Amino acid sequence: DVKVTQSSRYLVKRTGEKVFLECVQDMDHENMFWYRQDPGLGLRLIYFSYDVKMKEKGDIPEGYSVSREKKERFSLILESASTNQTSMYLCASSLLTTGGAGNTIYFGEGSWLTVV
Amino acid sequence: AQKITQTQPGMFVQEKEAVTLDCTYDTSDQSYGLFWYKQPSSGEMIFLIYQGSYDEQNATEGRYSLNFQKARKSANLVISASQLGDSAMYFCAMRDLNTGGFKTIFGAGTRLFVKA
Repeated sequence: DVKVTQSSRYLVKRTGEKVFLECVQDMDHENMFWYRQDPGLGLRLIYFSYDVKMKEKGDIPEGYSVSREKKERFSLILESASTNQTSMYLCASSLLTTGGAGNTIYFGEGSWLTVV
Repeated sequence: AQKITQTQPGMFVQEKEAVTLDCTYDTSDQSYGLFWYKQPSSGEMIFLIYQGSYDEQNATEGRYSLNFQKARKSANLVISASQLGDSAMYFCAMRDLNTGGFKTIFGAGTRLFVKA
């Protein structure tokens, strides 16, 4: 089974703090993703990476950065947390393939971040 | 631009009955994949079913089936014989396969309530 593990399930941070959300996958997937989930908006892509040290902006990258130093690990960084970044953050991974259900992305359990 | 629309914010169904969750999509691409995910209150995203744009038959996985109507650009999820454990958020998603399949976009979700 694919396992995507997010280091923190629940976090409370203060405005202006630097926040790190860590994600590790154990299936040797090339692609890794960070999504943000808000009620009524579904999941929105923040950043994704298709290889070590490679990153691409998603739909809402402002206020975030990412780091991928190893294939299995993808970190989301909030340089200076703000209250509008209070949300659920989901990490995901997938194979680099265009074939059939191999396109499926697998998610971690999510990190609930509250910025006060 | 690609877009996923789920028009039902909430749905109720009686236990043991079937229910259809609607999903329409918009894309100019010919090669794409469609997915459904389930998200229980615990937060994890569970992959349910996949349909490729060139698949001629509707996908089925146990009690889940995907009613794929390509000309209408719809990919409705049908859950047969609903169970109380089916109460959850359900997300429809699409992945463009021509660009290497990096980005998966999601609808806003439908919350399903199964009544005993």
